[in-house]
Amino acid sequence: NAGVIQTPRHKVTGKGQEATLWCEPISGHSAVFWYRQTIVQGLEFLTYFRNQAPIDDSGMPKERFSAQMPNQSHSTLKIQSTQPQDSAVYLCASSFRLGTSAETLYFGSGTRLTVL
Amino acid sequence: TQTVSQSDAHVTVFEGDSVELRCNYSYGGSIYLSWYIQHHGRGLQFLLKYYSGNPVVQGVNGFEAEFSKSDSSFHLRKASVHWSDSAVYFCAVISNYQLIWGSGTKLIIKP
Repeated sequence: NAGVIQTPRHKVTGKGQEATLWCEPISGHSAVFWYRQTIVQGLEFLTYFRNQAPIDDSGMPKERFSAQMPNQSHSTLKIQSTQPQDSAVYLCASSFRLGTSAETLYFGSGTRLTVL
Repeated sequence: TQTVSQSDAHVTVFEGDSVELRCNYSYGGSIYLSWYIQHHGRGLQFLLKYYSGNPVVQGVNGFEAEFSKSDSSFHLRKASVHWSDSAVYFCAVISNYQLIWGSGTKLIIKP
């Protein structure tokens, strides 16, 4: 079990460019989360998939951020026209299921996005 | 609105000392409470969780936490810290599928 895999570990983009971040959840896990972490804001919820279906994207900035989960083995977070304020560590997490049983979340090591 | 408060941004102790990291929450319904640890440059790792039963729960690496309904608290403790415990610790309340995170407490271990 390799854990949750996030690629790339670091990404540098110029202002206005697009950034795509990848997440491979643990095999068999049905819940996938994306978070953004900054010093100022801390951990911010972005979006949540269950069985590949988007359940809640209330944390996503609507205009430039999008997330997909085309199959059980990976999810992507795409940021169009990146801005310096998008610079953060983006964390992906998965769990076997999440609901009343409150499963443990397993986090990847994150992708550090730097927008110049 | 559920909230999680970690009042100490930093806690500094010497190696071998005991430590308590504080977490207070506000929520009216049934909740799950968890602690996670984040070492520098890494993702968060699960330490322990509480839902019901014995209010003292044991976690990995000698950590334990005690739930108190009267104090709305879920403080994390360790009897004797090691330098490898240096990290940021996050308390979280789980409501449905949402985790409400505290702001984190950075634990600094002096040699």
